[in-house]
Amino acid sequence: DSGVTQTPKHLITATGQRVTLRCSPRSGDLSVYWYQQSLDQGLQFLIQYYNGEERAKGNILERFSAQQFPDLHSELNLSSLELGDSALYFCASSPNTYRHGYTFGSGTRLTVV
Amino acid sequence: SQQGEEDPQALSIQEGENATMNCSYKTSINNLQWYRQNSGRGLVHLILIRSNEREKHSGRLRVTLDTSKKSSSLLITASRAADTASYFCATDATQGGSEKLVFGKGTKLTVNP
Repeated sequence: DSGVTQTPKHLITATGQRVTLRCSPRSGDLSVYWYQQSLDQGLQFLIQYYNGEERAKGNILERFSAQQFPDLHSELNLSSLELGDSALYFCASSPNTYRHGYTFGSGTRLTVV
Repeated sequence: SQQGEEDPQALSIQEGENATMNCSYKTSINNLQWYRQNSGRGLVHLILIRSNEREKHSGRLRVTLDTSKKSSSLLITASRAADTASYFCATDATQGGSEKLVFGKGTKLTVNP
């Protein structure tokens, strides 16, 4: 157990639907990062939050949004889902920035059918 | 965009042999990190080397960094079947004021018993 908790572990949904992925960071970590991993694109950075505020944005689609709550857990919302959104979605946390190693959760496997 | 690129893409060795993986990157960095990922699982942080360091050890792992060549290598000595995994290098990218870790596509290591 890495200390980063992601739920659900697996999600199967239809095209056009909306889903919410949840992440609880390791105790004491203020930064949360979301990554998407697919076979063809590798591990793509989506977005970072630090202590409730958006800190950095990557290749995140407009259909996707995220937030970090006062208790530091984070949610990634994916809407108008397409087949190509099928991937592993990872959350990671760190004490503050990339100057420390990240602790990754075990991921949510999203399958869009 | 990919900052780091690992080489080779795949490596197959016998138990007890050493495994060397290389990473090249494009822009200046503050640090470089190596991660391991077992199939379908979350990434595990192995080691972080700062830009002013040339070599770092952790157990059977040895990492070198050559900032003049923008390259790093990860050496696993006396490999074991349990070392079978994908290995990723990650570099910090501070472009446009945003901070993020950018991962390469990884080297898939297979250690045969």
